[in-house]
Amino acid sequence: EAGVAQSPRYKIIEKRQSVAFWCNPISGHATLYWYQQILGQGPKLLIQFQNNGVVDDSQLPKDRFSAERLKGVDSTLKIQPAKLEDSAVYLCASSFRGTGSGEKLFFGSGTQLSVL
Amino acid sequence: ILNVEQSPQSLHVQEGDSTNFTCSFPSSNFYALHWYRWETAKSPEALFVMTLNGDEKKKGRISATLNTKEGYSYLYIKGSQPEDSATYLCAFIRGNQGGKLIFGQGTELSVKP
Repeated sequence: EAGVAQSPRYKIIEKRQSVAFWCNPISGHATLYWYQQILGQGPKLLIQFQNNGVVDDSQLPKDRFSAERLKGVDSTLKIQPAKLEDSAVYLCASSFRGTGSGEKLFFGSGTQLSVL
Repeated sequence: ILNVEQSPQSLHVQEGDSTNFTCSFPSSNFYALHWYRWETAKSPEALFVMTLNGDEKKKGRISATLNTKEGYSYLYIKGSQPEDSATYLCAFIRGNQGGKLIFGQGTELSVKP
């Protein structure tokens, strides 16, 4: 079974530029998550989708971050404009019904973003 | 604000040593605790999902225990191998929070041959 696919693997941009990350979850997984992991900290949930609906985006900085999962399959996370403090690893994860049902997460390999 | 604390932050051991880490979490309104292993340049991988007080889980040389009343979980690695080198993350889920995972900052383990 194919895992969670993410791209790009690395991205270097200058502050105030825009960047987009893509994620394709495991086939059949209804729940998709985007996490931000800043060096030295644990991953922090940015947004959770159930199919194409948003379940939790309480920690998403909506003035600069946006995410969509239009057809309930793959998802895109965008930052516009980027700030220095956005430098982090962006992880995508999926599960069949969600961690609220006792399931574990399946993670992609992440995108390492450096904002200069 | 929920705090999940892991200790130690980093650990360096020799091949063959046994080791353990701690994850501390709020003891009220517990739903579940997850452990993940994250090797450099790879995807985080789930080790255990624990839900019951007193739970003990085992996967090869790795095992975990859970105490929900006092708010801690231990992860043990018996006879560490270089391939065990990774960051070990725990994540806590509080009841009635929609399954939202709150991660600790991780324990970075380095096993030297």
